[in-house]
Amino acid sequence: DIVMTQTPLSLSVTPGQPASISCKSSQSLLHSDGKTYLYWYLQKPGQSPQLLIYEVSSRFSGVPDRFSGSGSGTDFTLKISRVEAEDVGVYYCMQGIHLRWTFGQGTKVEIK
Amino acid sequence: QVTLKESGPVLVKPTETLTLTCTVSGFSLSNARMGVSWIRQPPGKALEWLAHIFSNDEKSYSTSLKSRLTISKDTSKSQVVLTMTNMDPVDTATYYCARILRWELLDYWGQGTLVTVSS
Repeated sequence: DIVMTQTPLSLSVTPGQPASISCKSSQSLLHSDGKTYLYWYLQKPGQSPQLLIYEVSSRFSGVPDRFSGSGSGTDFTLKISRVEAEDVGVYYCMQGIHLRWTFGQGTKVEIK
Repeated sequence: QVTLKESGPVLVKPTETLTLTCTVSGFSLSNARMGVSWIRQPPGKALEWLAHIFSNDEKSYSTSLKSRLTISKDTSKSQVVLTMTNMDPVDTATYYCARILRWELLDYWGQGTLVTVSS
């Protein structure tokens, strides 16, 4: 199975400052159809996860534009341009290229 | 609107079989390019994808749990059922079901149901 590795595992950020999370996959997530099947989910405290980014860099409906995704192949990054209090929670990357999907370990983001 | 709701026992004994039901509304399990996935999360730990089933009945299972899992759907009842055999205390977790949109996006999630495995 594809292993997803996130760094850092925790992050403390001052409101208004940027934040960045890295995700590396053990195999390329580029499909022969030209799409790269890498997603980012946010699980806010006490809530179910919610989709933020799909196919590396496309923001899902309603996701603020301070969230952006980038990367290719096996290396990916989620960036928050200016962290707000409502952004706290655990961020997960997930791969969907393989029939058996897998999540990263999660990165906990808190506010200083 | 789209909703998913998980139901099942809150407590199971070791070696027993767990049966969880995901009842969906706001969409049909026969809609093209749609499906339902099951994901679990042990207390304080990360998400773990378990299985999914698509409208064309294509199924896939976690490699590590494949021998213990069965997923099925009843389109007429708008339900997806996940069974997990030989439950162990390490299987204690919140179990979520989520809608799969366009073969890939987990766009709507249920609230999750906590299952505890204990004698």
